[in-house]
Amino acid sequence: LAKTTQPISMDSYEGQEVNITCSHNNIATNDYITWYQQFPSQGPRFIIQGYKTKVTNEVASLFIPADRKSSTLSLPRVSLSDTAVYYCLVGFTGGGNKLTFGTGTQLKVEL
Amino acid sequence: DVKVTQSSRYLVKRTGEKVFLECVQDMDHENMFWYRQDPGLGLRLIYFSYDVKMKEKGDIPEGYSVSREKKERFSLILESASTNQTSMYLCASNRDRRYNEQFFGPGTRLTVL
Repeated sequence: LAKTTQPISMDSYEGQEVNITCSHNNIATNDYITWYQQFPSQGPRFIIQGYKTKVTNEVASLFIPADRKSSTLSLPRVSLSDTAVYYCLVGFTGGGNKLTFGTGTQLKVEL
Repeated sequence: DVKVTQSSRYLVKRTGEKVFLECVQDMDHENMFWYRQDPGLGLRLIYFSYDVKMKEKGDIPEGYSVSREKKERFSLILESASTNQTSMYLCASNRDRRYNEQFFGPGTRLTVL
């Protein structure tokens, strides 16, 4: 399973765009990149998944360069409620669906 | 909405006790997972299951076993609880192997005294 590296913590202010970058140098050809969000005392919640280029949904965008050795989760105009831990994962969806969660990035949004 | 429920939010047991953690999902998902989460270590996969009566070891299966007698239910068993099994336990389910979107339950905070 590909190992991921992401910042331990980030701080931001309400209304700003936040970009969290994850490196995954040994990503395999069949691996997808997935991001989850976790609030205290809750289970993680799926945010977005992609394979290459750019993926956008109602809450975030995911940017993946051509070499796929990194990815960036972009949260537009964050609010206090976006304060959470964000996990970057890579995994082969057809190979057992076994995902490895790292320690994540603690995002703190302030007024 | 998919709902994954876990039998208890908080549980206190004594060393040596047999502990059952139950997880139920209501969306007919094929795959179910058990994780534990500890500060500084993130989530670690204990066991997972692709089908009824099927199980696969995750990254840290030692000291645990699982049971999946029905598709909607996946149980985690601590045969003889130890203090190092004090942790937050999270259950998840997933539609099929083509997707990385897992749906998590609220978690069970287990304390072993």
